[in-house]
Amino acid sequence: AQSVTQLDSHVSVSEGTPVLLRCNYSSSYSPSLFWYVQHPNKGLQLLLKYTSAATLVKGINGFEAEFKKSETSFHLTKPSAHMSDAAEYFCVVSFYNQGGKLIFGQGTELSVKP
Amino acid sequence: GAVVSQHPSRVICKSGTSVKIECRSLDFQATTMFWYRQFPKKSLMLMATSNEGSKATYEQGVEKDKFLINHASLTLSTLTVTSAHPEDSSFYICSARDGTGSETQYFGPGTRLLVL
Repeated sequence: AQSVTQLDSHVSVSEGTPVLLRCNYSSSYSPSLFWYVQHPNKGLQLLLKYTSAATLVKGINGFEAEFKKSETSFHLTKPSAHMSDAAEYFCVVSFYNQGGKLIFGQGTELSVKP
Repeated sequence: GAVVSQHPSRVICKSGTSVKIECRSLDFQATTMFWYRQFPKKSLMLMATSNEGSKATYEQGVEKDKFLINHASLTLSTLTVTSAHPEDSSFYICSARDGTGSETQYFGPGTRLLVL
């Protein structure tokens, strides 16, 4: 079965400290992987995507993620959190054999304390 | 680039009425559009996939006669919630994918539906 799991439903960090949001996937195929961010009552914004090129992917707003096939992980990181980073983050997987449908993780709510 | 809009952003309607939500790709042609539903504090649930000029493909458990989807052009898809009831109240989000073969979906800002 193909699935994606976000290991933390809620992460809280202090402003200026590193952010780590964890994501693992399960697949028999090589997936495309995405991280999206959603601010309250807003749509989703693409942060970054992995599509079988470089395993370390850099995205917008200082975020990056590393694809580790051996660990089936695609964790999202940022060296220094900003107050504006507080939002819901979704790890998303696309499987080519399913017509490119996206499978969403459960989401991780990131809180940033002053 | 890759901007998707939705209209309206919020709608309140009476039970039994129908509501139409529009999804537009503003600067690219969307061969495929998707409709999602999101409950509070929950992830997105794919409702249906629509390809321009053909019938939408609905996910298991989604009533196609209740959630009518039309994708008549490469820049516009509509979702009509027919005979809406309070349990249909939700946040509806569309996304669009261009025809270049990219798997990236670009999301609209969402429509908050409240059925009284």
